[in-house]
Amino acid sequence: DGGITQSPKYLFRKEGQNVTLSCEQNLNHDAMYWYRQDPGQGLRLIYYSQIVNDFQKGDIAEGYSVSREKKESFPLTVTSAQKNPTAFYLCATTGGRVTEAFFGQGTRLTVV
Amino acid sequence: SQQGEEDPQALSIQEGENATMNCSYKTSINNLQWYRQNSGRGLVHLILIRSNEREKHSGRLRVTLDTSKKSSSLLITASRAADTASYFCATAYYNQGGKLIFGQGTELSVKP
Repeated sequence: DGGITQSPKYLFRKEGQNVTLSCEQNLNHDAMYWYRQDPGQGLRLIYYSQIVNDFQKGDIAEGYSVSREKKESFPLTVTSAQKNPTAFYLCATTGGRVTEAFFGQGTRLTVV
Repeated sequence: SQQGEEDPQALSIQEGENATMNCSYKTSINNLQWYRQNSGRGLVHLILIRSNEREKHSGRLRVTLDTSKKSSSLLITASRAADTASYFCATAYYNQGGKLIFGQGTELSVKP
C-alpha cells in the first residue's frame, strides 16, 4: 500500500526531554512537511523539505529540529526548548509543484 | 505569517442545505487547495484550483477563486450528516521552496 505513516500515535514526554516523531512515506514524493495543530485551531507549519539533505523553517520552528537523510523519511524532534509541546502533530507529503498533500494519521504528544 | 483566514469559524446547517465557507490569503499563490478533517484524524484532500482558474467543480463541491481579492470559497451543495467535519483551505507557494500554508478552518455541523 502506498501511503504515509506516522508513529507513534500517542506519545508522552516528561519535562526537559527530547522526543522524536517518525514520518515515513512510500509515495516517492520529494516534498515533506510537519505541522502542529492545537485544539480547535488550524495547522501551523513547523518545517518543510523539498529535497534530501535540505529543509526550511516554517512559521513556528523554534524548539523543533528535523533531518532529511532519506527521501522516504522526515523525522521531527521536539526539543526541551519547546515550552508548550502538547499538541497534535501532522506529517504530509506532496508531489511536484505542491499538488495534493497526503497526510499521516498524526501523533498526539502530551507533556506529563 | 502567511496564514490566511477562514470564515465562518463554525457553521451549523440542516441536511439538504448548502454550506459555504470562505478563505482569504495574503500573498500571491500558485494554487489553492481545500481539505477536510474528521476529528482527531489526518486531513483529506478535496479539490485544487490553480491561480489561473476561476471555478472548479467536483461532485457536490464547487470552488471559486478570486485572485484580485485574494479569496476563495467552497460550496457544498445538498449537505449530508456525513459532511460534518472541519474544512481547511491551503495556499501553495512554489517560489518559497514549495511552502503549503493552511488556514484556521471552518467547523461544519450538518444536522439530520
